[in-house]
Order: sequence, then C-alpha cells, then structure tokens
Amino acid sequence: DAGVIQSPRHEVTEMGQEVTLRCKPISGHDYLFWYRQTMMRGLELLIYFNNNVPIDDSGMPEDRFSAKMPNASFSTLKIQPSEPRDSAVYFCASSFLQNGELFFGEGSRLTVL
Amino acid sequence: RKEVEQDPGPFNVPEGATVAFNCTYSNSASQSFFWYRQDCRKEPKLLMSVYSSGNEDGRFTAQLNRASQYISLLIRDSKLSDSATYLCVVNRAVNKLIFGTGTLLAVQP
Repeated sequence: DAGVIQSPRHEVTEMGQEVTLRCKPISGHDYLFWYRQTMMRGLELLIYFNNNVPIDDSGMPEDRFSAKMPNASFSTLKIQPSEPRDSAVYFCASSFLQNGELFFGEGSRLTVL
Repeated sequence: RKEVEQDPGPFNVPEGATVAFNCTYSNSASQSFFWYRQDCRKEPKLLMSVYSSGNEDGRFTAQLNRASQYISLLIRDSKLSDSATYLCVVNRAVNKLIFGTGTLLAVQP
C-alpha cells in the first residue's frame, strides 16, 4: 500500500520566492496534518484538516503560510514570500481515526537562502 | 517552559543494556500519550501507545504517572537497530498531538 506521498523531497530557494509543498494522504484517511520540524523547536503542528475542511490552523506561524485541501487526495502548503527562518523539514501526516495513529510522509526538506 | 519536555541525550549504551527515557508534560488535561520513533533523516513512526496501567510490547515497556505528569519508556536488551530518536507525544486536545523534541539513543556494538 502506498503511504503518504510528499513532494518535493528537497527544495532550495531564495528569500522572497514562493514555495509550494504537496501531499497525497493515504486513501481512506479523513484527517490530514501539516507539521514542521526544526532542531530547536522539534515537531510543530501547523494545521489539520478533517474531510478536506481546515479545523485548526492556530499553528500557522503567520499570513505568509497558507494551506489548502481541494479534495480528499491532495493538499498543499504554500509559503509566500519565503524567509530563511522557514528552513525546516515539513511533514504531512494522515490518519483515519480521530486521535488515531499518525502516518507521516517522508518530509520535504526546505532551505531558504 | 515547553509543554512536553525530554532529555535530548544522547544516551550511549552497549548492546544488551537496559535504558530508560522519561518525559514530562505540563497540561494536566492531556488524555492520551504515545512514543514515536524517528530514525535519522526519516519520518516519525508510532512505537507504542501509553496506557494508564502501563503496557509492554516485547522489549519495550511504557508507563504513565498522571499524578507526576510523566511518561517513561524502558528498552530491555538493546539492539543496534534500536538506535534512533524517541519522541514523547501527548494529545492535548482533539487531534492536537504535541511532540517532545526527542531523546537520541545510540546503541554501541
């Protein structure tokens, strides 16, 4: 079975550029989560969706960040404009139960110069 | 103060050793607890849930002390393949999993 699929795996961009990260959750999973991981802060929940609807976006750092889930099999996290402090690994995860096990994608490693 | 605190380590132990990690959490309303494992440059994966009565899965034992607000993970007979970062995770509210920054374990041959 395919797991959570994220793209790109690596992205290097310059400050001010727009970055779009993509995620395909596991089929049948109703919940989708975006996390960010840095050495200093660990894994931080940015936003999560239930049945394609954003439920809690209180972790989104600022207006430069936006996330969408147009259908059950696709989500995007966009950063515009990007800044060096956005450099991190961004993980997408899905689950089929409320409060259930999270299945993570392999992550998108973002470097903003 | 972080909501979930862990000793970052590293814990360097020889093969066959027993090692224990502790984790403390600050929100007394937290309802469920987990240990996730993360290998170097990989994604986190669920290791085990932590139940109030304590639970065991092979060489791994997890315990919860609600009064003191700490969670522990004990690994017996350490294997080289146990080398990883162990993340303590607390469910603060519906679908709000809060991750600790992790404890690094290095098992030496």
